[in-house]
Amino acid sequence: GESVGLHLPTLSVQEGDNSIINCAYSNSASDYFIWYKQESGKGPQFIIDIRSNMDKRQGQRVTVLLNKTVKHLSLQIAATQPGDSAVYFCAEINQGAQKLVFGQGTRLTINP
Amino acid sequence: DTEVTQTPKHLVMGMTNKKSLKCEQHMGHRAMYWYKQKAKKPPELMFVYSYEKLSINESVPSRFSPECPNSSLLNLHLHALQPEDSALYLCASSRIVDEQFFGPGTRLTVL
Repeated sequence: GESVGLHLPTLSVQEGDNSIINCAYSNSASDYFIWYKQESGKGPQFIIDIRSNMDKRQGQRVTVLLNKTVKHLSLQIAATQPGDSAVYFCAEINQGAQKLVFGQGTRLTINP
Repeated sequence: DTEVTQTPKHLVMGMTNKKSLKCEQHMGHRAMYWYKQKAKKPPELMFVYSYEKLSINESVPSRFSPECPNSSLLNLHLHALQPEDSALYLCASSRIVDEQFFGPGTRLTVL
């Protein structure tokens, strides 16, 4: 069945360091992937997306990597800042199904 | 306007009450969604509206009743809820097959 999961539920990094958040998915029919950031008391906020015909996409301080062979997605955040502390969710869509399926989430804590 | 708004921010209701959650977007999106999120869990899809018509109902109990009066508004009518229905209710919108933009949510407590 469909499932999107994360390898680690929590991650702590020092301010200024780079962080990598991983995600595994099992639905090979998924063709669009999104990373969301959710701060306490707020709704999920779009960070970056990638379509299945790509293996890397870069944004401002963030990079998403997609490995379709092993069904793995990662989010790299460069030079982390205190404001990066949040829960990060990967999500997948089979665009024919119009359903967004979220992974379990990773809580990222930036230590000063 | 690039945001999804939700009212109220917080709602406390008894099990015999009837209340409604409201969601609004002015981005011209033709798909709108309701999600339920329990603490420390990911959002779970409840309903999807496409072009103001209900296209997906994820086997949600009938005590939750969605309504899409027009392309900018989405309501969720609540009646005879249970304490386990307490959660953060998130609304989202998107172009039909694209990233979803989420509102801040309504924190619902059922006593």
